[in-house]
Amino acid sequence: GNSVTQMEGPVTLSEEAFLTINCTYTATGYPSLFWYVQYPGEGLQLLLKATKADDKGSNKGFEATYRKETTSFHLEKGSVQVSDSAVYFCALSDQGYSTLTFGKGTMLLVSP
Amino acid sequence: SAVISQKPSRDICQRGTSLTIQCQVDSQVTMMFWYRQQPGQSLTLIATANQGSEATYESGFVIDKFPISRPNLTFSTLTVSNMSPEDSSIYLCSVTGTGVGTEAFFGQGTRLTVV
Repeated sequence: GNSVTQMEGPVTLSEEAFLTINCTYTATGYPSLFWYVQYPGEGLQLLLKATKADDKGSNKGFEATYRKETTSFHLEKGSVQVSDSAVYFCALSDQGYSTLTFGKGTMLLVSP
Repeated sequence: SAVISQKPSRDICQRGTSLTIQCQVDSQVTMMFWYRQQPGQSLTLIATANQGSEATYESGFVIDKFPISRPNLTFSTLTVSNMSPEDSSIYLCSVTGTGVGTEAFFGQGTRLTVV
């Protein structure tokens, strides 16, 4: 079956530091890959996505590249802000299906 | 996009009782799902709520424990029956379109504590 593995948190950074949250996946076929973010007290919302190999998703300064050869979709941001503090979930969906398989989530804490 | 209203946002319940969670969407959607997020764990799909027919449950989840209704294309309920402390979780409603890479939208979740 499908699975998503992401690095455990919390990840603690100072403002303006570089962020990487690792995500690897196992799936049959060619899944779509997503990063969702959950800010404190709010629901999950889509941060970015990629639907085929070598695609790069980007939003709000965050980027992730779909690497089929390494089955990875690592999330990066060059300079984090305090407002980026949240829980980040990596997820995949099989082609043609709408249900998502999630990683366990990584909490990011950014201090001033 | 879709805006999802889920309620209650939180509740504390006695073991052995049942709680019904409501999910209202601001537009008609085909695909509606219920997820569970246990403390420190990932989101796990409970079932797909099908309009006009019985829900489709994932392995490990059964209708007697988690009955689901979907009377129309904008509304669904999930009931957590005969609760035990192990049911303490966040329950989330989600909707999505169809097609490759379609985005999922989530309600804010219901934080359930069973005592």
